[in-house]
Amino acid sequence: EVQLVESGGNLIQPGGSLRLSCAASGFTFSIYGMSWVRQAPGKGLEWVSGLSSSGAGTFYADSVKGRFTISRDNSKNTLYLQMSRLRAEDTAVYYCAKDLYGAFDVWGQGTMVTVSS
Amino acid sequence: EIVMTQSPATLSVSPGERATLSCRASQSVSSNLAWYQQKPGQAPRLLIYGASTRATGIPARFSGSGSGTEFTLTISSLQSEDFAVYYCQQYNNWPPTPLTFGGGTKVEIK
Repeated sequence: EVQLVESGGNLIQPGGSLRLSCAASGFTFSIYGMSWVRQAPGKGLEWVSGLSSSGAGTFYADSVKGRFTISRDNSKNTLYLQMSRLRAEDTAVYYCAKDLYGAFDVWGQGTMVTVSS
Repeated sequence: EIVMTQSPATLSVSPGERATLSCRASQSVSSNLAWYQQKPGQAPRLLIYGASTRATGIPARFSGSGSGTEFTLTISSLQSEDFAVYYCQQYNNWPPTPLTFGGGTKVEIK
């Protein structure tokens, strides 16, 4: 079964850091680009960051550029999102998603990040 | 950044009726357009990519059309499980052009 499982979400104070993980299974992880997409409570979807299959190419939304870092470990079939200098507006469910030429054909169940004092 | 605008924000439809959802791009995205369905508490599910290609396992009652800046998702005969929020997303020149989603259309029972 093709599956993505996120973890690492938590309640964190403004200015803090957090690392999200996404474990992939059921497909050849190393040949697909991957992304993180978030959804603030009651709001729509926002693409956050993506990277190429090798990890050499990384891309970010302006809203997180310079604060978030995306990476992957193909030997562990795992995608990461290192988040720093967190703000209240980063509060959201964070989904990892498998890239199908730019559309996302597989999604995880999401992990909640709450930024609040 | 390419801005995606969906209309209407809410669509009230009776079961068995046709639903037509619209998505407009602020500039041409060619056919690089996807549609997703999201139910409460669930992750989005890919319905359509390439503007008109159904994803694996998606019923034939879902169809997509359009190119350039104007796109349509049609659900030919609404089933109870189709009441949800639908999002469009463009991926023209990705990477590196940022990916953007529309604000969503909620399809509710009339």
